[in-house]
Amino acid sequence: AQSVSQHNHHVILSEAASLELGCNYSYGGTVNLFWYVQYPGQHLQLLLKYFSGDPLVKGIKGFEAEFIKSKFSFNLRKPSVQWSDTAEYFCAVSRTGSASKIIFGSGTRLSIRP
Amino acid sequence: NAGVMQNPRHLVRRRGQEARLRCSPMKGHSHVYWYRQLPEEGLKFMVYLQKENIIDESGMPKERFSAEFPKEGPSILRIQQVVRGDSAAYFCASSPGGNSNQPQHFGDGTRLSIL
Repeated sequence: AQSVSQHNHHVILSEAASLELGCNYSYGGTVNLFWYVQYPGQHLQLLLKYFSGDPLVKGIKGFEAEFIKSKFSFNLRKPSVQWSDTAEYFCAVSRTGSASKIIFGSGTRLSIRP
Repeated sequence: NAGVMQNPRHLVRRRGQEARLRCSPMKGHSHVYWYRQLPEEGLKFMVYLQKENIIDESGMPKERFSAEFPKEGPSILRIQQVVRGDSAAYFCASSPGGNSNQPQHFGDGTRLSIL
């Protein structure tokens, strides 16, 4: 079955701390991988995506993620978080090729203490 | 530069009524996706449509739910005879074409509350 697991339901950090949010997926075949962010009261925005090539992907706002195929993982990282990073973060996967549905993880709520 | 437009933003219905949720994709996008987000959960895929065609409805409940994307006008997600369990946020996304390399862009969602 296709699924995405996000290990942390709620993460609380202080400003300037480093961040790593875990994501593992189960999906047959080659995949596209995504991290989306949902700020309070707003719609989902794409943080970064992996389609092919360099497994280390850089996104907006200083975020990056590394695709480790052998571990079926796509963890999100940021070296120094800011209060404005408070949001819900969703890891997601879709199959490559023609357009298709996205399978989302359950999300990780990130709270940053000022 | 309008993004994906969903209306209404909030919809309140009583049990047994019908709910209609609308989604206008981004300009130039011909593919629409509907997702549902229950409280404290991630988004769950419901249905994928192109103009006048349903491509994948594997996530749609078998009864009471239907979706369309007519040649003219927005995509409509219709829920008949709503029940309390239908309370959720419903998000629409659109993409320009049929290639998975083209990310889906999301609307602000419709929050449906069933009294």
